[in-house]
Amino acid sequence: AQSVTQLGSHVSVSEGALVLLRCNYSSSVPPYLFWYVQYPNQGLQLLLKYTTGATLVKGINGFEAEFKKSETSFHLTKPSAHMSDAAEYFCAVIQYGNNRLAFGKGNQVVVIP
Amino acid sequence: EAGVTQFPSHSVIEKGQTVTLRCDPISGHDNLYWYRRVMGKEIKFLLHFVKESKQDESGMPNNRFLAERTGGTYSTLKVQPAELEDSGVYFCASSPVDVNYGYTFGSGTRLTVV
Repeated sequence: AQSVTQLGSHVSVSEGALVLLRCNYSSSVPPYLFWYVQYPNQGLQLLLKYTTGATLVKGINGFEAEFKKSETSFHLTKPSAHMSDAAEYFCAVIQYGNNRLAFGKGNQVVVIP
Repeated sequence: EAGVTQFPSHSVIEKGQTVTLRCDPISGHDNLYWYRRVMGKEIKFLLHFVKESKQDESGMPNNRFLAERTGGTYSTLKVQPAELEDSGVYFCASSPVDVNYGYTFGSGTRLTVV
């Protein structure tokens, strides 16, 4: 079954610095990959997704992710962190055959002024 | 368009009581999913409806959990009787037939069993 790994439950980043959240997946078939964000007291919001086509995917709020098949990765980046980026971020993969989403453990991002 | 709506947003109940969570998906979305996040753990799949039929309920933890989707519209998830370990955030999501469009999640119901 497909799965994702997110390391480092808490990530601290200075305001204005690069945000980098790592996601590695395991899949025996071409994966559909997603990043979701959960702001405090809100639901899960889709940041971006990769299904087919261009491997560099741009999402909302200045985030982007690059699908690298050779590295089985789908890391999320944002060039310059903003205070409003403080949230929890989840990488997810659709499991082939049953359309379930398998989530990583999430990264709680703290932005330091 | 309206998003996925869940209520209540919070529920605190005593062990042994019954709680019913409700999810209203986006209109026209045939697929409806329930997920749960227990504190400190990953978000886990519970079950999947296609219209009114249960496509996959392999993630349901035990027979204290009962999900329904009458008429293929809204869904309910009942926990009876609730146990302490049922505490967590229950998310509902819906998607069109083509999952390439991704899932839209509701805001979740935070269930606390005391």
